[in-house]
Amino acid sequence: NAGVTQTPKFQVLKTGQSMTLQCAQDMNHNSMYWYRQDPGMGLRLIYYSASEGTTDKGEVPNGYNVSRLNKREFSLRLESAAPSQTSVYFCASSEFDKSSYNSPLHFGNGTRLTVT
Amino acid sequence: AQSVTQLDSHVSVSEGTPVLLRCNYSSSYSPSLFWYVQHPNKGLQLLLKYTSAATLVKGINGFEAEFKKSETSFHLTKPSAHMSDAAEYFCVVSYTGGFKTIFGAGTRLFVKA
Repeated sequence: NAGVTQTPKFQVLKTGQSMTLQCAQDMNHNSMYWYRQDPGMGLRLIYYSASEGTTDKGEVPNGYNVSRLNKREFSLRLESAAPSQTSVYFCASSEFDKSSYNSPLHFGNGTRLTVT
Repeated sequence: AQSVTQLDSHVSVSEGTPVLLRCNYSSSYSPSLFWYVQHPNKGLQLLLKYTSAATLVKGINGFEAEFKKSETSFHLTKPSAHMSDAAEYFCVVSYTGGFKTIFGAGTRLFVKA
């Protein structure tokens, strides 16, 4: 039972390079999310997709773009990486209902990104 | 404004002694509250959640949390710590309207043999 799968696990980029982080879930969840984790700051929402075909900005969207490719897959793209984007990135998914605020999140194992 | 505060950045206990990780929240609404655990180089895993059914919530691995509305607290406890409990713990609040989830800064739990 794979759950939420993220690739790659590690990545080093030079300033200005671009890359796409991939995420796939096999739990038939409608909603998917991208978070970044920085020391002492908990997790901050970058973008989310409430359902297939929709995406919305979260708390820290600048410098990122997302694509909800289908119900299973949600990718995060850095068009021109900056050192401030050095972080651990987590993809998550959840069920969606009218009271989705009480649906727990299911996380992948993260991607450690370093931008030099 | 909605917020969540984990009162300790680090907690150290001896194996076999009780664990208390403190969390306070502020909210204008009735929130849903969660505790997640993160082991090194892993994603976050749900420990337990509160959604107004009962104020004392039992989770996995012997953890439980009590919702106290008057104190706006949701502290996590465990009667007896195990070495495998060493990890980072996050208190999380979600609000009516969906997709508004706020994470605390985390509490790192150390367990001494």
